[in-house]
Amino acid sequence: SQELEQSPQSLIVQEGKNLTINCTSSKTLYGLYWYKQKYGEGLIFLMMLQKGGEEKSHEKITAKLDEKKQQSSLHITASQPSHAGIYLCGADLANSGYALNFGKGTSLLVTP
Amino acid sequence: NAGVTQTPKFQVLKTGQSMTLQCAQDMNHEYMSWYRQDPGMGLRLIHYSVGAGITDQGEVPNGYNVSRSTTEDFPLRLLSAAPSQTSVYFCASSYKGVPLGGYTFGSGTRLTVV
Repeated sequence: SQELEQSPQSLIVQEGKNLTINCTSSKTLYGLYWYKQKYGEGLIFLMMLQKGGEEKSHEKITAKLDEKKQQSSLHITASQPSHAGIYLCGADLANSGYALNFGKGTSLLVTP
Repeated sequence: NAGVTQTPKFQVLKTGQSMTLQCAQDMNHEYMSWYRQDPGMGLRLIHYSVGAGITDQGEVPNGYNVSRSTTEDFPLRLLSAAPSQTSVYFCASSYKGVPLGGYTFGSGTRLTVV
């Protein structure tokens, strides 16, 4: 079974609309990473959340970590075509310090 | 430019052929790892290394070998390519500990085995 579940799997939104992507873990979170992947390219680091209740923002993207629920949400305000891509959450579920488990990703398309 | 460099970007192999995917980083990161990304499966860990001379298996190691003779390089070898190894491969690196700045990923190698 997938240890990091992302929802939704895909999303089509109109430019200017807000959207939220969720990432839920079946194990204790020792930190949660959000990455963006443009189609056919590598992963770009967005932000990392380490503590419960922590919230970080990067331009119009905000992420929060709910440690009790073992869940993180990524919120995009006033979406733009440049936000299109695949959003991946990753976590070091084994607390190993050397590698991440990843969710399957959320594909985002922003239409004019 | 500092970062993780992967070569080649694209490769087509015939079943049974062998090849090496190269990965190099210039950030003096201790930790390096290889992932494969398949549609509907997300990224899965193949092998990882916590330092020169130290490697270990991840979630899907079968059919792959790695070695780490230097801090900078972490090549991934396909011993006898199979169509099931058609995938996009990513190399990543990080410093020891909790990388608040994230794991740094290469741009990927798209491999097709026919």
